[in-house]
Amino acid sequence: GAVVSQHPSWVICKSGTSVKIECRSLDFQATTMFWYRQFPKQSLMLMATSNEGSKATYEQGVEKDKFLINHASLTLSTLTVTSAHPEDSSFYICSASWREGFNQPQHFGDGTRLSIL
Amino acid sequence: LAKTTQPISMDSYEGQEVNITCSHNNIATNDYITWYQQFPSQGPRFIIQGYKTKVTNEVASLFIPADRKSSTLSLPRVSLSDTAVYYCLVEAPPDKLIFGTGTRLQVFP
Repeated sequence: GAVVSQHPSWVICKSGTSVKIECRSLDFQATTMFWYRQFPKQSLMLMATSNEGSKATYEQGVEKDKFLINHASLTLSTLTVTSAHPEDSSFYICSASWREGFNQPQHFGDGTRLSIL
Repeated sequence: LAKTTQPISMDSYEGQEVNITCSHNNIATNDYITWYQQFPSQGPRFIIQGYKTKVTNEVASLFIPADRKSSTLSLPRVSLSDTAVYYCLVEAPPDKLIFGTGTRLQVFP
């Protein structure tokens, strides 16, 4: 149980385009979803936290107009990288929890590798 | 600035016990400590979570001393498939969710 599906698994696109990444909890209702970014050989860095039906909370230094997060239902959250540039190339990972707040085990998707040419 | 630290890498042989320690000096009173395993190009997988003393499940044990400023993940009898990066996660104000630096475990036959 507790499966999180992330789509697409990888995407290559031209600079200036927008890319949407979906994160779905397949067998549970996710009250909270998290979005992370991971550069090669580095740890995960939290970008934002979203609770269903409310605006996402972004970490310091993360541009909310650049990385649009929507959590419209208890099973789906999306991350849209707007006007992507090469420096946005990274591994983006979502996670979901069915209880509010931190310290609850998170269930992670398998990530999306984004490459901007 | 809150920070968690782990050894960068560890080597082991199949069948041995591996202990990975995470330092988290600024852990908050009500925070839990969670460990995850990550394979290349995949998301992390939950291993174990604890608050104090010792927790054991079917794959690992977690040891947390009384001051809770560190924790140790213990993997009994590792196999080649345990080769991965292991992260500890705590909530440490003011930085909220903080993944450790990660420990690359390499298991040799």
